[in-house]
Amino acid sequence: GAVVSQHPSWVICKSGTSVKIECRSLDFQATTMFWYRQFPKQSLMLMATSNEGSKATYEQGVEKDKFLINHASLTLSTLTVTSAHPEDSSFYICSAVRYRDNSPLHFGNGTRLTVT
Amino acid sequence: AQTVTQSQPEMSVQEAETVTLSCTYDTSESDYYLFWYKQPPSRQMILVIRQEAYKQQNATENRFSVNFQKAAKSFSLKISDSQLGDAAMYFCAYRSRPGGGADGLTFGKGTHLIIQP
Repeated sequence: GAVVSQHPSWVICKSGTSVKIECRSLDFQATTMFWYRQFPKQSLMLMATSNEGSKATYEQGVEKDKFLINHASLTLSTLTVTSAHPEDSSFYICSAVRYRDNSPLHFGNGTRLTVT
Repeated sequence: AQTVTQSQPEMSVQEAETVTLSCTYDTSESDYYLFWYKQPPSRQMILVIRQEAYKQQNATENRFSVNFQKAAKSFSLKISDSQLGDAAMYFCAYRSRPGGGADGLTFGKGTHLIIQP
């Protein structure tokens, strides 16, 4: 159990376009989901915390108008990279916390975004 | 804010041998979680082991065990009988024990583990 599905696994887009990445908890309810960014050969950096039914909380330095997060249900959070630029190219990973289970974070398989 | 430090960018070990990956962290909190995650080339994050700070007993999961020294803020991972499939990036991570499960993980920079056949 505790499967998190992330889609798409990879995407290539042109500069100036927007890309939406979905993160779904398949077999549990997730009141909180987290979005991370990982550059090559680097660690994961927390971008934002997504709470069902409320506004996301962004980490310092992350542009909330560029990285739009929506957590419309207990099983789905989306990250939209708006007006993408080549410097937004990265690996984006979501993780989810099972409702009432504070400890483990279940990760999606990640999305490799390439902006040309 | 919490910080996690992994001082070994890369470690190499012979197959079947034992290797220890180090991790230190800094926090003012008394209750929290610590994790080791494995990230193979597929980049899937795989939970290896977790430790709750209030538990004095070191966590173990088959060939994986930790040495948790709360006073020293140290959380090392020992891999026994190393196997080729253990080759990956290993990340140490910290998570507060929040009231509502709100905090994400803070990761160290990772250690690249190489297994020599």
